[in-house]
Amino acid sequence: AQSVTQPDIHITVSEGASLELRCNYSYGATPYLFWYVQSPGQGLQLLLKYFSGDTLVQGIKGFEAEFKRSQSSFNLRKPSVHWSDAAEYFCAVKKSSGGYNKLIFGAGTRLAVHP
Amino acid sequence: EAQVTQNPRYLITVTGKKLTVTCSQNMNHEYMSWYRQDPGLGLRQIYYSMNVEVTDKGDVPEGYKVSRKEKRNFPLILESPSPNQTSLYFCASRGAAANEKLFFGSGTQLSVL
Repeated sequence: AQSVTQPDIHITVSEGASLELRCNYSYGATPYLFWYVQSPGQGLQLLLKYFSGDTLVQGIKGFEAEFKRSQSSFNLRKPSVHWSDAAEYFCAVKKSSGGYNKLIFGAGTRLAVHP
Repeated sequence: EAQVTQNPRYLITVTGKKLTVTCSQNMNHEYMSWYRQDPGLGLRQIYYSMNVEVTDKGDVPEGYKVSRKEKRNFPLILESPSPNQTSLYFCASRGAAANEKLFFGSGTQLSVL
């Protein structure tokens, strides 16, 4: 069965430091992968997605993610974190079942940013 | 402005009192879905709808109902809420193509006492 694991529940970084959020997936075929961000009191916003092609994907707000098939990973990175990046981040994989597609979400990683 | 609108943002109710959370989108999207978000569990799909009058269960449908009488609206109904339905709920929509992104509402925080 398809699943998504985000090993880190909470991460704290200093403003200006680099960031990497881990995501591992379990999927039989080539996955469609996503990263969403949820700011406090807000809905989820799509940061980036991977369907095929270049394994390094650029997203909004300076984020990027790299798809590594050999490691079943799709880690999210940012070279320099801003205080406004404090939020919860969700990795997701698209599952195809019975003729429709749905997203399977990881449990989320909450990011805190120290000044 | 393209958006998914949920109401109310916050709701406190008591066990057994029927309630409805509304969801409306202005993007003419075919697909709509409800999720609940619980700490440590991420988002789990409750119900989804591929189009008007076409709905189906997601991963955690027990205790919930939905309807899709119009394309823009997809209300979530709790006939007899229980405390284990205390959660943060999100409505989402997207177009029919498989690679279209989901647009999320701002969420409804429900507390069932």
